[in-house]
Amino acid sequence: AQSVTQLDSQVPVFEEAPVELRCNYSSSVSVYLFWYVQYPNQGLQLLLKYLSGSTLVESINGFEAEFNKSQTSFHLRKPSVHISDTAEYFCAVSDGGSNYKLTFGKGTLLTVNP
Amino acid sequence: NAGVMQNPRHLVRRRGQEARLRCSPMKGHSHVYWYRQLPEEGLKFMVYLQKENIIDESGMPKERFSAEFPKEGPSILRIQQVVRGDSAAYFCASSLRRYSDYGYTFGSGTRLTVV
Repeated sequence: AQSVTQLDSQVPVFEEAPVELRCNYSSSVSVYLFWYVQYPNQGLQLLLKYLSGSTLVESINGFEAEFNKSQTSFHLRKPSVHISDTAEYFCAVSDGGSNYKLTFGKGTLLTVNP
Repeated sequence: NAGVMQNPRHLVRRRGQEARLRCSPMKGHSHVYWYRQLPEEGLKFMVYLQKENIIDESGMPKERFSAEFPKEGPSILRIQQVVRGDSAAYFCASSLRRYSDYGYTFGSGTRLTVV
């Protein structure tokens, strides 16, 4: 069975500071990895995903995540955050190419303070 | 090009009543998934449906919960005789294909409160 661990439930940072949200997973098969963002009272939006190929993936709003197979990690990073990045971030995993189910972590609340 | 539409956004039910949650997938999407988010938890898979078929309901509680996706109309998640533990956010997602490689499009959810 798969599982996803997001090590930090809350991460407060100041505006323009760098941030890393950690995600570790366990799976016995190859996986697809995702980060979703949830703004208050909204649904989840796909931020970025790793399917195969380059282990570094980027989003259009400056976030990036690196797939590390040996450490079974998919940490999310941004070099300089904005107030508008305040949201809950969820890491998710699915069996690569053969499964439709997403297994989610418990989420990390990123709060960006002025 | 509307996204995944869920209604109602908020639903309050007394214990013992029925709750009906609706989900209209994105245009052209025939795969629908329901997830539940309990307080302080990540989303948990409940059920996967295609038009008129339940493909996988392994995440559904054995009693009181049912789901359908008729040929016409939205997908419905039905909870009979609700209890306080059913209070949660219920999210629906849809996809063009069965597999997750595109990442699903989620609706804004229905927040069910049982009083």
